[in-house]
Amino acid sequence: EAGVTQFPSHSVIEKGQTVTLRCDPISGHDNLYWYRRVMGKEIKFLLHFVKESKQDESGMPNNRFLAERTGGTYSTLKVQPAELEDSGVYFCASSQGYGGLSGNTIYFGEGSWLTVV
Amino acid sequence: ELKVEQNPLFLSMQEGKNYTIYCNYSTTSDRLYWYRQDPGKSLESLFVLLSNGAVKQEGRLMASLDTKARLSTLHITAAVHDLSATYFCAVDINNNDMRFGAGTRLTVKP
Repeated sequence: EAGVTQFPSHSVIEKGQTVTLRCDPISGHDNLYWYRRVMGKEIKFLLHFVKESKQDESGMPNNRFLAERTGGTYSTLKVQPAELEDSGVYFCASSQGYGGLSGNTIYFGEGSWLTVV
Repeated sequence: ELKVEQNPLFLSMQEGKNYTIYCNYSTTSDRLYWYRQDPGKSLESLFVLLSNGAVKQEGRLMASLDTKARLSTLHITAAVHDLSATYFCAVDINNNDMRFGAGTRLTVKP
């Protein structure tokens, strides 16, 4: 079974350009998350989708970031315009359920490495 | 604001030795996760701890959770080189909205 896949794995763009990151969750997983790790700091939550709805987007840093999950399948995270401080690793993760005591395992993708120059 | 603090941040140890990584957090939570990350790879789920006093073991790794003390530990027994990686703890605060620690970079030397 395929895991969480992310594309592109690496990208280098100039300041002011636009980048779109894509995440394909594990098939059947309603919950999809975006995280990022910038400048060697801790991994930080960006937002959480349940199917196509944004359950929590409290971690989105500013309005240059736009996440979508049309149809509740794959998700995209667009950064427009990119700034130098956006450089880092963007992780996508998915899980089947959420909440409760079931301790749903959250599966991570390998990350999309973004460098803004 | 929730804080999740891991220590140590860097750990170099000899093969065969034991050591413990600590994860302290500042808010109430009944779910705590431990992940392993190899360089350039995704985060691999190691343990999910669901209740106070939970203890889980897998191979040379054992994780425990004390929700009253807001502390989780990851104990390494008789370390081997293959355990070299970065280990993250993460606290679940709201339906899988997780807050991560800074990570502990472990290097096991022969």
